[in-house]
Amino acid sequence: DADVTQTPRNRITKTGKRIMLECSQTKGHDRMYWYRQDPGLGLRLIYYSFDVKDINKGEISDGYSVSRQAQAKFSLSLESAIPNQTALYFCATSDPSGRVDTQYFGPGTRLTVL
Amino acid sequence: AQTVTQSQPEMSVQEAETVTLSCTYDTSENNYYLFWYKQPPSRQMILVIRQEAYKQQNATENRFSVNFQKAAKSFSLKISDSQLGDTAMYFCAFMKHVSGSSNTGKLIFGQGTTLQVKP
Repeated sequence: DADVTQTPRNRITKTGKRIMLECSQTKGHDRMYWYRQDPGLGLRLIYYSFDVKDINKGEISDGYSVSRQAQAKFSLSLESAIPNQTALYFCATSDPSGRVDTQYFGPGTRLTVL
Repeated sequence: AQTVTQSQPEMSVQEAETVTLSCTYDTSENNYYLFWYKQPPSRQMILVIRQEAYKQQNATENRFSVNFQKAAKSFSLKISDSQLGDTAMYFCAFMKHVSGSSNTGKLIFGQGTTLQVKP
């Protein structure tokens, strides 16, 4: 079974709709992250959470919100989706107790906003 | 602010040959970590290799090795004996280390290099 799962894997929605992307992990990691991937831009950080009570904005948080429901769950919401939020979204987790805080990624969610 | 640049948008290599992917970064930090991630057509992001900046020895993982040149701020990935399964997009990433506490955990990615391994 995958350590980091994302639902849905693909989603098509319309402008103005509210969308929630969900991430779950069984790795027992405290840290979780949301990134978006756009062609030619690599991955950019949207939000990150170092524990259940800690939420931080990343590089491109405008238009997004997050919820850390439990250590294992971290959701990303688009309150009113717009076409330029069409992208591939990744959730990642990490454990800072190791020598290197390496991030492990979920399979991604392809979101299309029409 | 840190930046990561991958100047080769696309590369190709014959099966069993060796290929090197380039990555340069800009930072004023002295302690940091560098990573290479692979994204095959399945779109899963897979860690390939990582390097700690304070280590002079280049990291290796089986057929994958890096050439880390700290003064030049260069971090290239060499793939030996290329296999068809190596076909993927490769991302270079940077993470700074914050002394006295845990790492910041924030990765900064390059734009990616698409590698095609030809039979």
